[in-house]
Amino acid sequence: KAGVTQTPRYLIKTRGQQVTLSCSPISGHRSVSWYQQTPGQGLQFLFEYFSETQRNKGNFPGRFSGRQFSNSRSEMNVSTLELGDSALYLCASSSTSGGEYEQYFGPGTRLTVT
Amino acid sequence: AQSVTQLDSQVPVFEEAPVELRCNYSSSVSVYLFWYVQYPNQGLQLLLKYLSGSTLVKSINGFEAEFNKSQTSFHLRKPSVHISDTAEYFCAVREYNAGNMLTFGGGTRLMVKP
Repeated sequence: KAGVTQTPRYLIKTRGQQVTLSCSPISGHRSVSWYQQTPGQGLQFLFEYFSETQRNKGNFPGRFSGRQFSNSRSEMNVSTLELGDSALYLCASSSTSGGEYEQYFGPGTRLTVT
Repeated sequence: AQSVTQLDSQVPVFEEAPVELRCNYSSSVSVYLFWYVQYPNQGLQLLLKYLSGSTLVKSINGFEAEFNKSQTSFHLRKPSVHISDTAEYFCAVREYNAGNMLTFGGGTRLMVKP
């Protein structure tokens, strides 16, 4: 079974631009969660989507948004990029939301904002 | 809200020595507990988890962790480390009714020296 894939793996953007990151979960998984990893703030939860509905949302500004499609693939969008948005963005998939099911992480997308 | 504290940001240790990575958490509700490992330029891999039952959980590569409810701790131990164990280790909690939202500690960099 293929693992979680994230595209692109690396991205360089300029302040003020917007960016869209993509996550394809493991086949059959319906939950996708997104995390931001930075040296200063560590790993922080952004949001979780389950069956195309946002299940949870972390404490991030409205510039960060996401969605999930009917095939469970998810995208996250960051508008009006700031230097502080430079980070590794990780997504994780799980067969369901909550319970004792494991989450599997993708390799991440490294975003650099200049 | 829950929080996770990893008391050591870096732990240097010689090969074949024992190691303990400490993790304490705070939560007003019941939680699941996890240890993840991250190798350079990679995503997170689940090392082990405590869901219920026996408070001592073990991984296939020799790590173990013990859930201590009274001390709200979930320390990770290995009796003899290898060079290949060099990585960053993250402790995380997930509340029973919070979907797949993980709260992570700040991470501990394990550096195994020959």
